[in-house]
Amino acid sequence: NAGVMQNPRHLVRRRGQEARLRCSPMKGHSHVYWYRQLPEEGLKFMVYLQKENIIDESGMPKERFSAEFPKEGPSILRIQQVVRGDSAAYFCASSPPGSQGNEQFFGPGTRLTVL
Amino acid sequence: SQQGEEDPQALSIQEGENATMNCSYKTSINNLQWYRQNSGRGLVHLILIRSNEREKHSGRLRVTLDTSKKSSSLLITASRAADTASYFCATDAGTGNQFYFGTGTSLTVIP
Repeated sequence: NAGVMQNPRHLVRRRGQEARLRCSPMKGHSHVYWYRQLPEEGLKFMVYLQKENIIDESGMPKERFSAEFPKEGPSILRIQQVVRGDSAAYFCASSPPGSQGNEQFFGPGTRLTVL
Repeated sequence: SQQGEEDPQALSIQEGENATMNCSYKTSINNLQWYRQNSGRGLVHLILIRSNEREKHSGRLRVTLDTSKKSSSLLITASRAADTASYFCATDAGTGNQFYFGTGTSLTVIP
């Protein structure tokens, strides 16, 4: 069973461009979570999604950031008009249905560098 | 905020010694988890301890939880150079949906 997949692993964007980060959860998992890790800091929750629904986006910046988890395909974290402060590692995690409070399985992360 | 805080921020020990890391949090939880992150890599789940548990073991790892003090400790016995990594605690603030991570303890095990 493949683990959580994220791509790309590294992404370089210039200021003002768009960044699209993809996450494929583990097989059978219907819950996806996105976290951001700034340099020298811990992970910060951004958003929790189930298929076609955003459950909790309390950690998402109000502007430029959006996330989706369509019925088919990976979850996408989209950052529009990137700025240097968006440079960070973005981690996706997944968990199976009915797994509130249980282990989340993390992907390897996407490292975004904004020039 | 609910964010867990690890202590110490950095720890350096000789191979074979034990390493103890602590985590404190602020609100009630359903469970607390410890993760390891090697430099530049993703997180690896180490152990989950539920709020009604006081101690849990997994191989060379021992985790304790004191809900009255809102704190947890991770003990790595007989450390190895391969244990060098950052260690994070994560709490769920009772929601089960999102986890709050601390800034981590950076452990260096010197061969």
